[in-house]
Amino acid sequence: AQSVTQLDSHVSVSEGTPVLLRCNYSSSYSPSLFWYVQHPNKGLQLLLKYTSAATLVKGINGFEAEFKKSETSFHLTKPSAHMSDAAEYFCVVRSGNTPLVFGKGTRLSVIA
Amino acid sequence: EADIYQTPRYLVIGTGKKITLECSQTMGHDKMYWYQQDPGMELHLIHYSYGVNSTEKGDLSSESTVSRIRTEHFPLTLESARPSHTSQYLCASSVGLDPRGTDTQYFGPGTRLTVL
Repeated sequence: AQSVTQLDSHVSVSEGTPVLLRCNYSSSYSPSLFWYVQHPNKGLQLLLKYTSAATLVKGINGFEAEFKKSETSFHLTKPSAHMSDAAEYFCVVRSGNTPLVFGKGTRLSVIA
Repeated sequence: EADIYQTPRYLVIGTGKKITLECSQTMGHDKMYWYQQDPGMELHLIHYSYGVNSTEKGDLSSESTVSRIRTEHFPLTLESARPSHTSQYLCASSVGLDPRGTDTQYFGPGTRLTVL
């Protein structure tokens, strides 16, 4: 069985400061892990994915995430938040060809 | 940007009506999916298809039905809409070649359904 826990339902940062969105996962087998972003009234867009290659994954718009097996974590970070980063972020886990399992989402607010 | 389209984007209808939510993709993907998302909540898979004439139910039980007659088209139908069906419905597709499941799912913009 797989599951994913996003530890914060809402994160608020000031523009120009670092972003940290936390995600812990549970999976019986080697997982694939994804971060998706959802802007209001738009579909989900893939930010990055981990597929058992490099543990530090770089994505679009300056985001990156580090896969830590010992901590079963896949936290999303960005060095400097931009106003356009305000959105809902979903951590997603998958093992093999099983369906994607989504976290409940973290709403990121960016304060000018 | 992914070439996956959903219509209508917003729909408000009365109880008992039959509705069809359309989803089309121009990427030639074999796998297509329907997710349901309530406000502020995670997505739940309700239907998926691995190709033409293939449909399966997802993790979340749904009274809706789907069909896959053409590769590019994956419509979802509710025979008799009820207020409990009020939600956002998201369609997605993927190439589906990797048995490890690492392929990316591309999402449409969603249909926000309100049943009065």
